Amino acid sequence: NAGVMQNPRHLVRRRGQEARLRCSPMKGHSHVYWYRQLPEEGLKFMVYLQKENIIDESGMPKERFSAEFPKEGPSILRIQQVVRGDSAAYFCASSPVQGQYSNQPQHFGDGTRLSIL
Amino acid sequence: AQSVTQLGSHVSVSEGALVLLRCNYSSSVPPYLFWYVQYPNQGLQLLLKYTSAATLVKGINGFEAEFKKSETSFHLTKPSAHMSDAAEYFCAVSRASKIIFGSGTRLSIRP
Repeated sequence: NAGVMQNPRHLVRRRGQEARLRCSPMKGHSHVYWYRQLPEEGLKFMVYLQKENIIDESGMPKERFSAEFPKEGPSILRIQQVVRGDSAAYFCASSPVQGQYSNQPQHFGDGTRLSIL
Repeated sequence: AQSVTQLGSHVSVSEGALVLLRCNYSSSVPPYLFWYVQYPNQGLQLLLKYTSAATLVKGINGFEAEFKKSETSFHLTKPSAHMSDAAEYFCAVSRASKIIFGSGTRLSIRP
């Protein structure tokens, strides 16, 4: 499967724990985007990364959330000290070119469903 | 600022009937517009995209959308609904490095 791979598909955490969500982009894609989907809502942009760089994090909460896309390995979305309100589906997308070429569609993974007990 | 508005959070049609899902955009410049479909517990799949080459855009699974600048609309249609079309549909506009999604329309198909 050469698509965007996210894992785990489902993640359960207790309040106060850390959640780590992983995303491997499509082969040949070096641009990664994270989105959050709350129940019964559309997707909301969180962050855009290229290898080793955060390009746009205007949608990231200021506290507890961080993202990285290292030179080797998958992109990681990290949520520290999770709270009930973090329960959502988190989607990763990738594209082959820079976001400024806005006609290029982003390819989405199947998401990670995060549940906070 | 660019955004999209989807009219109707839930649309129900009979199998074989016309599907019409509405989307209006607001943009100060010609936009790049997309329709995505989301099946339960899956990610988003691109149905079609508008990039100014043609106002009538054909996508996968028999869907198409027409860009109407005078109405700032990009409605999604399919002549004959199939049971497998039941899903959530999102209209979206591209802005710089991010995609702005509408709130979605859930399409139900009645046998």
